[in-house]
Amino acid sequence: EIVLTQSPDFQSVTPKEKVTITCRASQSIGRSLHWYQQKPDQSPKLLIKYASQSFSGVPSRFSGSGSGTDFTLTINSLEAEDAATYYCHQSSSLPFTFGPGTKVDIK
Amino acid sequence: QLQLQESGPGLVKPSETLSLTCTVSDGSISSSSYYWGWIRQPPGRGLEWIGSISYSGSTSYNPSLKSRVTISVDTSKNQFSLKLSSVTAADTAVYYCARTTGDCYDYWGQGTLVTVSS
Repeated sequence: EIVLTQSPDFQSVTPKEKVTITCRASQSIGRSLHWYQQKPDQSPKLLIKYASQSFSGVPSRFSGSGSGTDFTLTINSLEAEDAATYYCHQSSSLPFTFGPGTKVDIK
Repeated sequence: QLQLQESGPGLVKPSETLSLTCTVSDGSISSSSYYWGWIRQPPGRGLEWIGSISYSGSTSYNPSLKSRVTISVDTSKNQFSLKLSSVTAADTAVYYCARTTGDCYDYWGQGTLVTVSS
């Protein structure tokens, strides 16, 4: 099973700051890495697919990069509505797995 | 826009079988381009992939749950279902149904909390 680790676990950020979240896979997964945003009491929403492709309707301040074992989700100019937990997810091999999440709080 | 809605009992007794249904609307479950999956989230914790199914009935399951899980599809009703047997308190979670390309999950239901308790 591929294990995904995320850092940091928690980040408190002021509006308009840049946020960087990393996801590391226990073995190479190519670009089969996806990012989701989950706000309290809501279902997860797809932000980025295949490491760097933005999903339809996602604001341009969200971007992803990486390949192999190391991936990054970047939020440029954070907005208050971006307060959420962010999860990475790998689909390179079964069973699909998710990272533990990074909670982003607004100062 | 595609919508998914989970339904089923919110309370299940230990050792019994959890049964949930996901109804797909504003889209066809019979598309060969997509699979349909279940993911769960224990309260205050992260996401766990349960399994997925194609419209033709081809399934993939998480090995950690495989002996207890069955996912099925009913194309005539545009629904797919989850059964999880011999449940314990550890199976208490919000259960989500979602559409997948076989890789990422692009549309999700709102989720339904299932509590395992006597």
